[in-house]
Amino acid sequence: EDQVTQSPEALRLQEGESSSLNCSYTVSGLRGLFWYRQDPGKGPEFLFTLYSAGEEKEKERLKATLTKKESFLHITAPKPEDSATYLCAVQAPLNAGGTSYGKLTFGQGTILTVHP
Amino acid sequence: SAVISQKPSRDICQRGTSLTIQCQVDSQVTMMFWYRQQPGQSLTLIATANQGSEATYESGFVIDKFPISRPNLTFSTLTVSNMSPEDSSIYLCSVGDGLSSTNEKLFFGSGTQLSVL
Repeated sequence: EDQVTQSPEALRLQEGESSSLNCSYTVSGLRGLFWYRQDPGKGPEFLFTLYSAGEEKEKERLKATLTKKESFLHITAPKPEDSATYLCAVQAPLNAGGTSYGKLTFGQGTILTVHP
Repeated sequence: SAVISQKPSRDICQRGTSLTIQCQVDSQVTMMFWYRQQPGQSLTLIATANQGSEATYESGFVIDKFPISRPNLTFSTLTVSNMSPEDSSIYLCSVGDGLSSTNEKLFFGSGTQLSVL
């Protein structure tokens, strides 16, 4: 069974204080690793998909990296508006019946709070 | 990215009743997914809904409790039947990347917050 573990559960930063969020995963076969941002009362907002070890993607102050066992979401010089819950998810590969294609297994999330 | 509209955004229901949640997408998509997010927990897939075929349910979820319709490529409904307080949760619709089956991007609606008394 696919498992995703995120750490820390909560992270408090001062504005401008860079840090990283961790996502460790155990999967039978990784097709993709997804990062989402979720604000209170809203659905997850897509950030990145990573496919292979060594891959990196950036968006504004966020950079996601991937190894064979974990992914990191680096936040550089965060601002209060970056405060949110960040979710990591692994995507199952296509099975023989094609029914699991696109299924995401999510971690518990990291609640990020950035203070001004 | 796809724009997803979910209705209702929230509801308070009595136990034993049923609620149907609608998910409308502004473009045609091959695959639609229904997730549940229980209080303080992460998202769990309920079922995958493809147009023209029966929905595929994940372990722990059954059609009698969560019937799903997928009449066309832009619309789906999830019904939560015979509700109990344990069904209080946020229900989220998710869609894949257009008519592609690779789903390299998966987008979510804003969710339906359900409270069962």
